[in-house]
Amino acid sequence: ETGVTQTPRHLVMGMTNKKSLKCEQHLGHNAMYWYKQSAKKPLELMFVYNFKEQTENNSVPSRFSPECPNSSHLFLHLHTLQPEDSALYLCASSQGQGVLVKLFFGSGTQLSVL
Amino acid sequence: DQQVKQNSPSLSVQEGRISILNCDYTNSMFDYFLWYKKYPAEGPTFLISISSIKDKNEDGRFTVFLNKSAKHLSLHIVPSQPGDSAVYFCAARADDKIIFGKGTRLHILP
Repeated sequence: ETGVTQTPRHLVMGMTNKKSLKCEQHLGHNAMYWYKQSAKKPLELMFVYNFKEQTENNSVPSRFSPECPNSSHLFLHLHTLQPEDSALYLCASSQGQGVLVKLFFGSGTQLSVL
Repeated sequence: DQQVKQNSPSLSVQEGRISILNCDYTNSMFDYFLWYKKYPAEGPTFLISISSIKDKNEDGRFTVFLNKSAKHLSLHIVPSQPGDSAVYFCAARADDKIIFGKGTRLHILP
């Protein structure tokens, strides 16, 4: 149990579907992150929220829309995705940002776009 | 352009021997370096870190070495155990961002 829970674990969707990924952290952290891991590529930072405020948007296409209603929950809303968006989407949390950052990751959502 | 490079996609090591995982970086502004370990179907977990002002940090079987002049760091695992079989990600921090490498898959052979 890492303290960061992601649902669903697997998701298959068509290019016209709308779906959402959910992340919840039980660690009392104040920063939450979305990372994307594609095959044979490094982990790519997508979004950062610190105290519910978005502090980073790493040039992510608008078909990915994050939402952070509170410090414990983070969503990634998906719509009109492309097949190249198929990847493992990882949520992470940390206590603080701007000091030594030790990220705690969830198990990820394996997304397949058909 | 990759700022953090792990040039070996995979590595196989005999159980009980030393595993050495390598990482190169290009950004001289990185001030902290981290190693994460990932098992299949799980998220990465933090393993060990080192500040740029140090050249070595040790934690049990795991030691990280940093060579700033060569912009190179390595993770040593000794002795290697079957449970060490996983993907290891090197990561570095600059400007509050953590940049990851592609990872190296370590196989510990019986």
